[in-house]
Amino acid sequence: SAVISQKPSRDICQRGTSLTIQCQVDSQVTMMFWYRQQPGQSLTLIATANQGSEATYESGFVIDKFPISRPNLTFSTLTVSNMSPEDSSIYLCSVGTGSYGYTFGSGTRLTVV
Amino acid sequence: KQEVTQIPAALSVPEGENLVLNCSFTDSAIYNLQWFRQDPGKGLTSLLLIQSSQREQTSGRLNASLDKSSGRSTLYIAASQPGDSATYLCAVDAGNQFYFGTGTSLTVIP
Repeated sequence: SAVISQKPSRDICQRGTSLTIQCQVDSQVTMMFWYRQQPGQSLTLIATANQGSEATYESGFVIDKFPISRPNLTFSTLTVSNMSPEDSSIYLCSVGTGSYGYTFGSGTRLTVV
Repeated sequence: KQEVTQIPAALSVPEGENLVLNCSFTDSAIYNLQWFRQDPGKGLTSLLLIQSSQREQTSGRLNASLDKSSGRSTLYIAASQPGDSATYLCAVDAGNQFYFGTGTSLTVIP
């Protein structure tokens, strides 16, 4: 199955600033998924990123707040913009690997102060 | 809309015990079900994947079963070890979206 390298693994950021999270996959994949996991909660899908087109956002998430880039079939970034303490979460990227199910990155633990 | 529930929310057992984690889902139209492990502050590690046509999968001390008609899956952990302490998540692939359960936080006491 695919291996995902996600970075940074953690960061502490000032409110009002932005953080870009990167995910690199060791194979070409059509779709990449970005999730948020708020403290004590399960995972919530933010958006699906396809190469060559705009990401598809889930209800409650907007492009201005969470812009996503997908320049090629192995790489994607998620930016958390104009951060507030409520954005403190773990952010994860994921890819589907067919018969192997879904593989996740190691996560980015974001704390906004 | 698919809803995935895991019971119990938290579980504490002494080392060596066998245990069962439960996952239920409301819509049986799924492609597969996957069990993950998550260590605190970390990403998800896939444990077992059960295709919709399968009844169970085994990996080492782990055995996962799937009863699609009743909307249930169980994860059986044999001879638990302190290193098994983590949160366990089940997730169903409904084709258009991946739905996660609420997780079971497991603590294995040495």
